[in-house]
Parts: sequence; structure tokens; C-alpha cells
Amino acid sequence: QSALTQPASVSESPGQSITISCTGTTSDVGSYNLVSWYQQHPGKAPKLMIYEVTKRPSGVSNRFSGSKSGNTASLKISGLQAEDEADYYCCSYAGGRPRYVFGTGTKVTVL
Amino acid sequence: EVQLVESGGGLVQPGGSLRLSCAASGFTFSSYEMNWVRQAPGKGLEWVSYISSRSGSTIYYADSVKGRLTISRDNAKNSLYLQMDSLRAEDTAVYYCARDNGNYQIDYWGQGTLVTVSS
Repeated sequence: QSALTQPASVSESPGQSITISCTGTTSDVGSYNLVSWYQQHPGKAPKLMIYEVTKRPSGVSNRFSGSKSGNTASLKISGLQAEDEADYYCCSYAGGRPRYVFGTGTKVTVL
Repeated sequence: EVQLVESGGGLVQPGGSLRLSCAASGFTFSSYEMNWVRQAPGKGLEWVSYISSRSGSTIYYADSVKGRLTISRDNAKNSLYLQMDSLRAEDTAVYYCARDNGNYQIDYWGQGTLVTVSS
């Protein structure tokens, strides 16, 4: 099973909004409302930002929001801040074999 | 506070073996499904293996590691393991221990341990 497809990079100015897409197939993103998003700063472990497509864990800013349409999930970051500069990965449950499929990753740069 | 601490990484020759460990704390380890996820240098995340909660009777592997890597758990020691045999250069990566949230998603990650396969 192939990795989910994300744009390699997205850049925007502070205060603006960006949306990162995550395209899968009917075997993963399209079949389950079990898409999560992770933020990873250089040299650090990934951090859960969104789960079950739209839900935010406690402590995650409401500037982060998720959605899904068909085989494509999206992460929106509003009011970009310098600390949002990081790599972002989507992940979908894939039924068990494999259990999870990750996205190719998107590097977010705050100009 | 949930904590996952990996250990056991290092430099190993192609064809060699290594055993990774993950010490869990801050939650009832036996009640949670667990995973190993890896990240090659400068690359993205790749799911490697899954083990079910309690008895660990259900196990899955990525096709890229099947037959060479073995996941296991010891609930009495609150520990997750990954036995790595017949290692290849393409297995070089940071290996993360990652907890399932009980609803088919990963919620917590360890800090990772680096495995380098090189002669």
C-alpha cells in the first residue's frame, strides 16, 4: 500500500492561513473517519494535532482544524505563528494489513 | 503523564541483529495496543508493526519487515520490544514506540532510538 500524498512544502506569512491536503484511496482515507495529523519539529518526536478527522486533543490550539471529503483529508492552520513551522504528517487507519498508512509529509515554512 | 522511552539502538553490520526496548509509564500499559514506527534519515514516517493489548495475540507487520522483525510485549515489565534480525541498510532509521489510543489511531510517541545498519 502506498503512502498518502501530501504537498512537499507550503509557505505563508504570519497571521495567514494554510491548508495541507492528504490524498489516499478507498482502502484507507476514503473508508474510515480515522485520519490523524502530526506535527514534528526537527529532531523531535511527532505530536498528535488532530484525530478522527476533526477532533483536537486537549492542549492543541483551536487554530488547527481538520476535515475530509472522499479520499482526501485536509489540515487547516489559521493565524500562522512562527512556532507552527514544522513538518506535518497525515495518517490513516488502513484496516490492519498494514494497520496505518502515513502521508509523505509537508514542510510548513512561516515566512 | 504518559511516557515512552526507547533504548537499544546503535550501529550494526548488515545481516546483524538488534533488540529495541520501550519502557512505558503513566498509563496502564497492558490495556493499550502498541506500535513501532520508523523514520529513515530525512524521510517520512513508516508504520512497522502492531501488537494488540493484554495477551498480544494479534500482531501485524509491514511487508518491508515481515519475517525479519518481531514485536513482543511484557506487561509485567511495562515494556514493548522489537527484535530485529537480518538487518539491511534500508532498515537504518529512528525507531519510535507509539501508543494506540484505543480507536485505531496513534496518540503518544517516544523520543525514538536510532538504528544504523552499515559495514
